[in-house]
Amino acid sequence: GAGVSQTPSNKVTEKGKYVELRCDPISGHTALYWYRQSLGQGPEFLIYFQGTGAADDSGLPNDRFFAVRPEGSVSTLKIQRTERGDSAVYLCASSPGTGASEAFFGQGTRLTVV
Amino acid sequence: QQQVKQSPQSLIVQKGGISIINCAYENTAFDYFPWYQQFPGKGPALLIAIRPDVSEKKEGRFTISFNKSAKQFSLHIMDSQPGDSATYFCAASPSGSARQLTFGSGTQLTVLP
Repeated sequence: GAGVSQTPSNKVTEKGKYVELRCDPISGHTALYWYRQSLGQGPEFLIYFQGTGAADDSGLPNDRFFAVRPEGSVSTLKIQRTERGDSAVYLCASSPGTGASEAFFGQGTRLTVV
Repeated sequence: QQQVKQSPQSLIVQKGGISIINCAYENTAFDYFPWYQQFPGKGPALLIAIRPDVSEKKEGRFTISFNKSAKQFSLHIMDSQPGDSATYFCAASPSGSARQLTFGSGTQLTVLP
């Protein structure tokens, strides 16, 4: 596709369940970022990958959150034992490299934990 | 700790008017300052960005003014149009790039026809 694609667009899950959110970056982009956006707030950095490795995961709020990018393209954000406070829009972005100044964002996955 | 403070939270401007959004930062390590535009249901899109070696950058109707000593920067939208109605976020990064952006809380701009 031409842009960053995130699936699903919406996800409703019960408290305590496990969820996976998928991100397909722009083809050829080596850097990939995950952000979380709560209602009425700006995006909050979670983690970024350069290639397959997580170069910086300092924004992950706790060990329930984990992300992978095994082949250096598609990434999956995994949340275990979901809590109501995890409800937010999870945004993925990619850029040609970590030195690039523009990150292209996807439309996000709206996660609702009930 | 909120490292990038943005104001106002909301702004209503008449068509043709000037929209001004302000941001202040605390971390002197920040060296890249982009502005993002976000429409409902969409991800943020880069609008314009500045680095601290210049005090102003203009692209079409959009201008960033940057005051390094005051640790402030602002977005000016000239000749505002109804299509500019969106949420605007300032951001800052210590890496000179899009990596590890810290966003402001956003300004919801409404341009009346």
